[in-house]
Amino acid sequence: EAGVAQSPRYKIIEKRQSVAFWCNPISGHATLYWYQQILGQGPKLLIQFQNNGVVDDSQLPKDRFSAERLKGVDSTLKIQPAKLEDSAVYLCASSLRTSGGVTQYFGPGTRLTVL
Amino acid sequence: AQSVTQLDSQVPVFEEAPVELRCNYSSSVSVYLFWYVQYPNQGLQLLLKYLSGSTLVKGINGFEAEFNKSQTSFHLRKPSVHISDTAEYFCAVMGYNTDKLIFGTGTRLQVFP
Repeated sequence: EAGVAQSPRYKIIEKRQSVAFWCNPISGHATLYWYQQILGQGPKLLIQFQNNGVVDDSQLPKDRFSAERLKGVDSTLKIQPAKLEDSAVYLCASSLRTSGGVTQYFGPGTRLTVL
Repeated sequence: AQSVTQLDSQVPVFEEAPVELRCNYSSSVSVYLFWYVQYPNQGLQLLLKYLSGSTLVKGINGFEAEFNKSQTSFHLRKPSVHISDTAEYFCAVMGYNTDKLIFGTGTRLQVFP
């Protein structure tokens, strides 16, 4: 079974530029998450999708961040314009609820450096 | 709301020694508990999870964890570590009927030869 795919793996941009990250979840997983992991910290949830609808975006800085999952499969996270403090690893995860509960599976992440 | 405290930011240990990484959580509802490992420049890999049943959970790579409800802890243990276990370890909690993971700040396990 293929895992969660993300691209690109690394991205370097200058502040005020825009950037986009792509995620393809595990096949059949209805729920997709985007996390931000700043160096030395645990991942922090930015947004959660159930199929193509947003479940929780309370921690998403909506003045500069946006995300979509138009067809309920893959997803794109965009930052425009980027700030220095956006330097982090952006992780995508997907999950499937079963009778045994919910387990999230993570992709390899995209490391963003903002100069 | 839930929160997770990982008591040690770094744990140095010699190869073949036992190790325990500590995790305490806080929650007003019943929870699921997870340990993830993150190797350099990689995403998070699930080590083990506690959903229900036996409080001793065995995971991959020889790791195990014990859920202690009275002490609200979920410590991770391995009886004999290898150099390849050097990584960042994250404890996480998820409330029943939510899909949201709340992570601790991580513990850096450094195994020396």
